[in-house]
Amino acid sequence: RKEVEQDPGPFNVPEGATVAFNCTYSNSASQSFFWYRQDCRKEPKLLMSVYSSGNEDGRFTAQLNRASQYISLLIRDSKLSDSATYLCVVRLTGGFKTIFGAGTRLFVKA
Amino acid sequence: NAGVTQTPKFQVLKTGQSMTLQCAQDMNHNSMYWYRQDPGMGLRLIYYSASEGTTDKGEVPNGYNVSRLNKREFSLRLESAAPSQTSVYFCASTNRGGYEQYFGPGTRLTVT
Repeated sequence: RKEVEQDPGPFNVPEGATVAFNCTYSNSASQSFFWYRQDCRKEPKLLMSVYSSGNEDGRFTAQLNRASQYISLLIRDSKLSDSATYLCVVRLTGGFKTIFGAGTRLFVKA
Repeated sequence: NAGVTQTPKFQVLKTGQSMTLQCAQDMNHNSMYWYRQDPGMGLRLIYYSASEGTTDKGEVPNGYNVSRLNKREFSLRLESAAPSQTSVYFCASTNRGGYEQYFGPGTRLTVT
């Protein structure tokens, strides 16, 4: 079983739609949580951190449920430019080992 | 401020050949990492360097060696390339708090 699991998709949605991605992790030493975005044939870039209280950045909302070991990302009012792969990322206690999920692909169509 | 740079961008090797992937960062970050990314697998940590002078194995270190040459540079060496090492290799760095990893543009390596 992978330590960080994501639905690979792809998710095909029209512009303006709301889409949600889920992620589960299995390592109890998981300390910090992130969503990264990766465009085709490019490097990953940090989208946002995920906090237990939930946090929002514009159209993006991230949630963490430590008891269920579950992380989510909600994108509202999808734009064509949101088309990318979204990586769920977990950093273990100690700060140096980071585990990446395989990613969920999103296509937003006009 | 170039961030994290990697060379080369593309490389084709024959089985058994050796090569070194170069990585440099100009953000004065303490920690540096090497990952490989394969389809359906996500990024997997090969080696990391928590600070200058230290290196540690990650999840998939076999077949690789690393050198933290100084605070800026962290190289990855393949001593005897194998087809299973065909992948995209990313170098990354973080500051002391380790909050965000900054990635280089990647090296696409094919071993035939």
